[in-house]
Amino acid sequence: DAGVIQSPRHEVTEMGQEVTLRCKPISGHNSLFWYRQTMMRGLELLIYFNNNVPIDDSGMPEDRFSAKMPNASFSTLKIQPSEPRDSAVYFCASSLGQGSNQPQHFGDGTRLSIL
Amino acid sequence: GESVGLHLPTLSVQEGDNSIINCAYSNSASDYFIWYKQESGKGPQFIIDIRSNMDKRQGQRVTVLLNKTVKHLSLQIAATQPGDSAVYFCAENSGGFKTIFGAGTRLFVKA
Repeated sequence: DAGVIQSPRHEVTEMGQEVTLRCKPISGHNSLFWYRQTMMRGLELLIYFNNNVPIDDSGMPEDRFSAKMPNASFSTLKIQPSEPRDSAVYFCASSLGQGSNQPQHFGDGTRLSIL
Repeated sequence: GESVGLHLPTLSVQEGDNSIINCAYSNSASDYFIWYKQESGKGPQFIIDIRSNMDKRQGQRVTVLLNKTVKHLSLQIAATQPGDSAVYFCAENSGGFKTIFGAGTRLFVKA
């Protein structure tokens, strides 16, 4: 079975540019999570969607970050304008249910480098 | 300036030995616990989970033990193999959507 699919796997761009990360959750999963992982801060939850609706975005660092989920099989995380401190690995995860009794399944991430 | 990152605890074991990775969780109201394995360049991969009404659960070569009295979780890997080398995360959930991940433990398996 296909797992969570993220694209691109790697992104290198100059500061100030717009970056769009994409995620296809596992079919049938109704919860989707975006995380950021850095050596400094570990794994941080950015935003959570349930049934395509954003439920909690309190982890989004600032207004430069936005996320959408137009349908059950696709989500995007956008950074505009990007800054060097946004460099990290961004993970998307999905689960059946909201995560309180079902594990989250992660994609292999997008490694983002902002120069 | 010098960058300071998370200093992950490290466990080094000989191939074929058993490994025990420990985790202290923070919330006494947590009722669902998960172990993940993260290999280099990949996302965290689900290994095994346990609910608070249990104190032990076994999978293939892995066992999770839960001690709610002292808020402690452990992952035991039998007959550790080189492919088990990775960072292992424990995670807790107290209901709702938010799962709290630990900082991780790095496991090195010596051949």
